[in-house]
Amino acid sequence: DAGVIQSPRHEVTEMGQEVTLRCKPISGHNSLFWYRQTMMRGLELLIYFNNNVPIDDSGMPEDRFSAKMPNASFSTLKIQPSEPRDSAVYFCASSRDIGNTIYFGEGSWLTVV
Amino acid sequence: QQQVKQSPQSLIVQKGGISIINCAYENTAFDYFPWYQQFPGKGPALLIAIRPDVSEKKEGRFTISFNKSAKQFSLHIMDSQPGDSATYFCAANAGNNRKLIWGLGTSLAVNP
Repeated sequence: DAGVIQSPRHEVTEMGQEVTLRCKPISGHNSLFWYRQTMMRGLELLIYFNNNVPIDDSGMPEDRFSAKMPNASFSTLKIQPSEPRDSAVYFCASSRDIGNTIYFGEGSWLTVV
Repeated sequence: QQQVKQSPQSLIVQKGGISIINCAYENTAFDYFPWYQQFPGKGPALLIAIRPDVSEKKEGRFTISFNKSAKQFSLHIMDSQPGDSATYFCAANAGNNRKLIWGLGTSLAVNP
């Protein structure tokens, strides 16, 4: 079975540019999560969706970050404009309503220079 | 404030030894306590999880011990192997809340 699929795997961009990260959750999963991982702050939940509806976006750091889930099989996390402090690994994860196991993608490694 | 405190930050164990990672929580409403394992360049993956109705759960070489009164839970890796070298995260949540509260992780290195 295909797991959570993220793209791009690696991105290097210049400060001020727009960054769009993409995620395809596991088929049949109706919860989707965006996490950010850094050495200093560990794993931070940015936002999570249930049935395509944003439920908790309290972890979104600021207005430069936005996330959408137009359908059950696709989500985006956008950073505009990007800043060097946004450099991190961004993980998308999904789960079913029943059961608590969260399945992570392999991450998008973002470097903003 | 909801928190999960994990220790140690890093751990070095000899092959065949026992690795022990501890977590403490504050919110007594937490009722699900998973451990995730993350290899370099990969996303975290569920290793083992426990609910507070039991004090211990074992899966192969991995055991979770749970102490409800102390609000602590720990991961024990018996007969540690170099392939166990990874970062381990504890987490917790309550009820149907999808939002896991994460520890900061423990980097485990098992020397051959």
